[in-house]
Amino acid sequence: NAGVTQTPKFQVLKTGQSMTLQCAQDMNHNSMYWYRQDPGMGLRLIYYSASEGTTDKGEVPNGYNVSRLNKREFSLRLESAAPSQTSVYFCASSEGRREAGELFFGEGSRLTVL
Amino acid sequence: AQKITQTQPGMFVQEKEAVTLDCTYDTSDPSYGLFWYKQPSSGEMIFLIYQGSYDQQNATEGRYSLNFQKARKSANLVISASQLGDSAMYFCAMREHNTGGFKTIFGAGTRLFVKA
Repeated sequence: NAGVTQTPKFQVLKTGQSMTLQCAQDMNHNSMYWYRQDPGMGLRLIYYSASEGTTDKGEVPNGYNVSRLNKREFSLRLESAAPSQTSVYFCASSEGRREAGELFFGEGSRLTVL
Repeated sequence: AQKITQTQPGMFVQEKEAVTLDCTYDTSDPSYGLFWYKQPSSGEMIFLIYQGSYDQQNATEGRYSLNFQKARKSANLVISASQLGDSAMYFCAMREHNTGGFKTIFGAGTRLFVKA
């Protein structure tokens, strides 16, 4: 049971470098999400995709781009990384069409920007 | 705008006692869902319990119950008979419909310490 798989699990970047975090789910969920977790601030929503072909901004979208490649995959791209983007990133998915949709999370990706 | 507030950064509880973790929320949407998630020190996120805004009864899942007071916009988590393994971060979350579809936002969390 893979569930939600995100890669890489760890990454160190220099300021200005770019990278893409990959996420894939095998639960046939419509909705996928990217969150970042910083100490003392809980999880903050970066972008989400309610269904294949749609994406929308969350609470903290600046500095990020996303692509919903197909129903299974949702990637997060940092075009020019900044130290403020040092964080743990979580991908999640859910049944998209109702309030009761609990989130299923990946294991997280720890990103350090020097 | 959505907002979730957890006012207790840290809580201590004695093993086998009950503990209440507070959560208040703010929304103008009449239809929404409320959730609690647990994050152990290993880092994974674990779904605990769900309450729908139209549910008349408080949700329960084993030792977890959600004290839902709609008029006060509060959704407190009650853990009964605490165990050492309950030591973790706990996040309250709210899910509601947006122009882009359903999205879930989280509070800042409460760190629970269970003492032997």
